[in-house]
Amino acid sequence: QVQLQESGPGLVKASETLSLTCAVSGGSISTYYWSWIRQPPGKALEWIGYVYYSGTTNYNPSLQSRVSISVDTSKNQFSLRLTSVTAADTAVYYCARALGGTLPSFEYWGQGTLVTVSS
Amino acid sequence: AIRITQSPSSLSASTGDRVTLTCRASQGIRSYLAWYQQKPGRAPKLLIYSTSTLQTGVPSRFSGSGSGTDFTLAISDLQSEDFATYFCQQYYSYPPTFGQGTNVEIK
Repeated sequence: QVQLQESGPGLVKASETLSLTCAVSGGSISTYYWSWIRQPPGKALEWIGYVYYSGTTNYNPSLQSRVSISVDTSKNQFSLRLTSVTAADTAVYYCARALGGTLPSFEYWGQGTLVTVSS
Repeated sequence: AIRITQSPSSLSASTGDRVTLTCRASQGIRSYLAWYQQKPGRAPKLLIYSTSTLQTGVPSRFSGSGSGTDFTLAISDLQSEDFATYFCQQYYSYPPTFGQGTNVEIK
């Protein structure tokens, strides 16, 4: 059974960079597309972007200027960086594995990690 | 981006009831719609993809239908473990987008 676990600081100061890592266990990170998705309090889920095991990425246009997602196949993990954060970036951040290709539904999810942006 | 609207935002039901949840897309998405279940503090769980295909291990009391812009998730014979929030997602065009969710509560 594939399991995903997010890790990273739960508190980030405004204007700084949010960094999270998703560790994948129970399966290889290879051959799949891996996404970050977030949910601000009381709002809908928002897809942030994906990385393929080869390193290919695609991002939500609404965040593209501030986001980067990378993969480390040797550690079976992938990471999210979001720069210049504001209070609007406060959310529960999930990592997920795609069911399918580049435009998918999401088969496996992490438990989520709350990141709060402080002023 | 395609907007997804779910209704109702919440509903109350009893064990054994049949409930129907609705998801509407702002433009046609063919059959590229998924449904998820989420319980507090837990990871979302994929229930249905491609509008009506049950994910492995999902009970047959869950069913999905629709096409184009209007979709439904039906849960028959509601069980105690089904009380949760359900949300839908389109993956017809970038970026994939989600609805706000429907909370199914115990009456």
